[in-house]
Amino acid sequence: QITLKESGPTLVKPTQTLTLTCTFSGFSLSADGVAVGWIRQPPGKALDWLALIFWDDDKFYNSFLKSRLTITKDTSKNQVVLTMTNMDPLDTGTYYCAHSSPEGSFDVWGQGTMVTVSS
Amino acid sequence: DVQMTQSPSTLSASVGDRVTITCRASQSVDYWLAWYQQKPGIAPKLLIYKASSLESGVPSRFSGSGSGTEFTLTINSLQPDDFATYYCQHYSGYSRTFGQGTKVEV
Repeated sequence: QITLKESGPTLVKPTQTLTLTCTFSGFSLSADGVAVGWIRQPPGKALDWLALIFWDDDKFYNSFLKSRLTITKDTSKNQVVLTMTNMDPLDTGTYYCAHSSPEGSFDVWGQGTMVTVSS
Repeated sequence: DVQMTQSPSTLSASVGDRVTITCRASQSVDYWLAWYQQKPGIAPKLLIYKASSLESGVPSRFSGSGSGTEFTLTINSLQPDDFATYYCQHYSGYSRTFGQGTKVEV
């Protein structure tokens, strides 16, 4: 059974850097074709894809946010870390990590973690 | 990046109705298109992948069709549990863009 869980701060100040960790079980991020992605959702708004990291360490980023995002993996710890710099109140929302099978869709999601950006 | 546009943004329906949601891509994504269902406060759930393949455990009243730039999600005989927001998402190339969502309400 695949599970993922997001962790990190619930409150960050504007201009600070956000670091979120996705801890997963039930799959290996060393397996061919597997990936883990990050998606966010501002309150009452649509899903917004942020980044994706593959088993071979290939990385894709949302082109509008690419300069602010870094995604890394620690295969031995079964973790994926997302950092987002220069946080703004508009970045407030729920942040999800999700498993991507070799087929490519996000088939299993974490429960999400709410992040508020406020001074 | 490929842009995804869903229509309508909101859809009013009743139990038993047949509901259709459309998703258009700004350029061809072949059949690399997924549909998700989301209820308030809960993570999205995968319904359809590769445009028309039903995810395991998803009721057969859900179906997807299309390829290239135009896709459709159909719900046959809408059930009370189906009132939710639906998102399309492409996963071709270097991006994974979502549509803006369609809320199916009573």
